[in-house]
Amino acid sequence: EVQLVESGGGLVQPGESLRLSCAASGFTFSSHWMHWVRQAPGKGLVWVSRIETDGSSTTYADSVKGRFTISRDNAKNTVYLQMNSLRADDTAVYYCARGGFGTGTDYWGQGALVTVRS
Amino acid sequence: DIVMTQTPLSSPVTLGQPASISCRSSQSLVHSDGNTYLNWLQQRPGQPPRLLIYKISNRFSGVPDRFSGSGAGTDFTLKISRVEAEDVGVYYCTQATQFPYTFGQGTKLEIK
Repeated sequence: EVQLVESGGGLVQPGESLRLSCAASGFTFSSHWMHWVRQAPGKGLVWVSRIETDGSSTTYADSVKGRFTISRDNAKNTVYLQMNSLRADDTAVYYCARGGFGTGTDYWGQGALVTVRS
Repeated sequence: DIVMTQTPLSSPVTLGQPASISCRSSQSLVHSDGNTYLNWLQQRPGQPPRLLIYKISNRFSGVPDRFSGSGAGTDFTLKISRVEAEDVGVYYCTQATQFPYTFGQGTKLEIK
C-alpha cells in the first residue's frame, strides 16, 4: 500500500524557516517524481514544486522560487521542502504527492499545516 | 501558465441522480508526446485529494465505474452516473501537461 506521511509543520513568524519531510513507503520511491502541493485554508489546490527521480532536476512555482528548495534522499525514501523567508500567504496545508507514470499526482499524503503569523 | 476553469462551482444533486462537471483549459493540453494529461481529483471533507481519473478518461485504481471522464483539447467533463452520499466533496480538474501544474477552482458537490 502506498503511504506518504508529512511532518515538520507548525507555527512560525514571518521571515522564519521551516523544513517539511514526507516519508514514503509501499512503492519504489527512487522511480517516481515527487511533488509538493499546498492548500490555503478554505481555498483550492496550488502546485508548489517537483523533483525528478534522482534529484537532478527541480521545478518551482513562481510564488516560491528562490525561497523554497525541494530535495530528496532515496536511501531514506523521503522528500523534503525547505521553506525560507516565510510569509503570511504561505500559510497552508502542504501535501506531498507521488508523480505517477502518466497519471500526474496519483497518491497524496494527509498533509502538514504550516501557519505563518506574527 | 495554463488556466483551468470549472463550471459549475457548486452542484446540488439528488441521491441516485447524475452529475456533471465541466473543465476548460486556456490552451490545448495535448503534450508533445501525444498524450493529454488532464486529471480529475476528489477531495472529501477533511481529507486529502484523491485521484479519480487520469489522461481524460482512465479511472484510477479502486475508483467506482460510476465515475467517467471525457473530452479533448481544451474541454473536458467529469460525470457521475448516479450520485451516492460518499461522493460529497470538492472536485478539481488539473493539468499535468506543462509546468506549473495547475488546478481548476474546484466544484463543490452536495446533496439536495
